[in-house]
Amino acid sequence: QVQLQESGPGLVKPSETLSLTCTVSGGSIGTYYWSWIRQPPGKGLEWIAYIYYSGSTNYNPSLKSRVTISLDTSKNQFSLKLTSVTAADTAVYYCSRGKYSGDWFYFDYWGQGTLVTLSS
Amino acid sequence: DIQMTQSPSSLSASAGDRVTITCRASQTVSSYLNWYQQKPGKAPKLLIYGASSLQSGVPSRFSGSGSGTDFTLTISSPQPEDFATYYCQQTHSTPYTFGQGTKLEIK
Repeated sequence: QVQLQESGPGLVKPSETLSLTCTVSGGSIGTYYWSWIRQPPGKGLEWIAYIYYSGSTNYNPSLKSRVTISLDTSKNQFSLKLTSVTAADTAVYYCSRGKYSGDWFYFDYWGQGTLVTLSS
Repeated sequence: DIQMTQSPSSLSASAGDRVTITCRASQTVSSYLNWYQQKPGKAPKLLIYGASSLQSGVPSRFSGSGSGTDFTLTISSPQPEDFATYYCQQTHSTPYTFGQGTKLEIK
């Protein structure tokens, strides 16, 4: 059974960099699209970015200038860095696995989520 | 970006009622439309992909339909565990976008 687990600081200071890691267990990194998705408290879901197992990336244009996603296949981990954070970046951050089944693309496994709060 | 609009934003139903949630895309997404269920404090769970394909392990009382810009999630006879928030998501093009959610509450 594939499991994803987010890790990283729960508190970040304004203007600093948010860094999170997702560890994948129970399955391979191969042929999947590893994504970060966030959800501000009480609000909806926002897709941030994905990285393919080959290393190719795709970012949400609304965050692209501040986001970097990376992959460490030797550790079965992928990571998110979001720079210059503001209060608007306070959210639960989920890591997720994107998968193609035939033509269709969807997110079938998710981490439990980690709340990142901004506080000075 | 493709905007996804769900209706209603919330609805009340009794266990056993038939429930329908609608999702409309601002431009065609073909059938690249997924539905997720989210319970408080939990991650979203995939229910339906490709507009109408049931994810493995999801009860058959859940069904999806539609293509192009208009989609529907139907719960034929909601059980107590189905009262949750539901999101549609398009994966036709990046950035992948979600609807604002529909909260299904017990009447």
